[in-house]
Amino acid sequence: AQTVTQSQPEMSVQEAETVTLSCTYDTSENNYYLFWYKQPPSRQMILVIRQEAYKQQNATENRFSVNFQKAAKSFSLKISDSQLGDTAMYFCAFMSDSNYQLIWGAGTKLIIKP
Amino acid sequence: DTGVSQDPRHKITKRGQNVTFRCDPISEHNRLYWYRQTLGQGPEFLTYFQNEAQLEKSRLLSDRFSAERPKGSFSTLEIQRTEQGDSAMYLCASSLAMDNSPLHFGNGTRLTVT
Repeated sequence: AQTVTQSQPEMSVQEAETVTLSCTYDTSENNYYLFWYKQPPSRQMILVIRQEAYKQQNATENRFSVNFQKAAKSFSLKISDSQLGDTAMYFCAFMSDSNYQLIWGAGTKLIIKP
Repeated sequence: DTGVSQDPRHKITKRGQNVTFRCDPISEHNRLYWYRQTLGQGPEFLTYFQNEAQLEKSRLLSDRFSAERPKGSFSTLEIQRTEQGDSAMYLCASSLAMDNSPLHFGNGTRLTVT
């Protein structure tokens, strides 16, 4: 069975700093997809970034980038130039090629301080 | 594209009552998911439809829970004989039927069972 682990329950950084959220996963599959979702307080879950396991190049979306280490089964999220609006719960999620359930980590609460 | 819509936003009910939630997915999305999320946790998979077919249902889902998607468009989730442990946020998400298509979430229905 696949599992997703986020080992940082909560992090806080100053505005404009760079922060990295960690995520590790366990799977025996070779083809899969990884996602980072953001859930601001009392608001809906929003996709931040996604990575296909067959792609070696790390995904980037503006200030958000990932460090995907397939052999280590690691998928960290880096947020550069953090903004107050980045304050949210961040969830790492895994989807295999064989079924379409998302397996979620427990989340990391990120607080950006002014 | 109006996004995924869920109704109601909040529901307070007494233990033992039945409740029904509705989800309207993004119109061209043929996959629809229901998740449950409790405070401080990642979403927990409940069930998944492709068009009108319910393809998977979590083993954690008791017989009191039933979901339908009669015409392959909107979906309903019914909980019969509610229990206090059913109190949670119920999230609906939809996606295209493509391998790595990301899920788009609604705002959720927050259920409180008193």
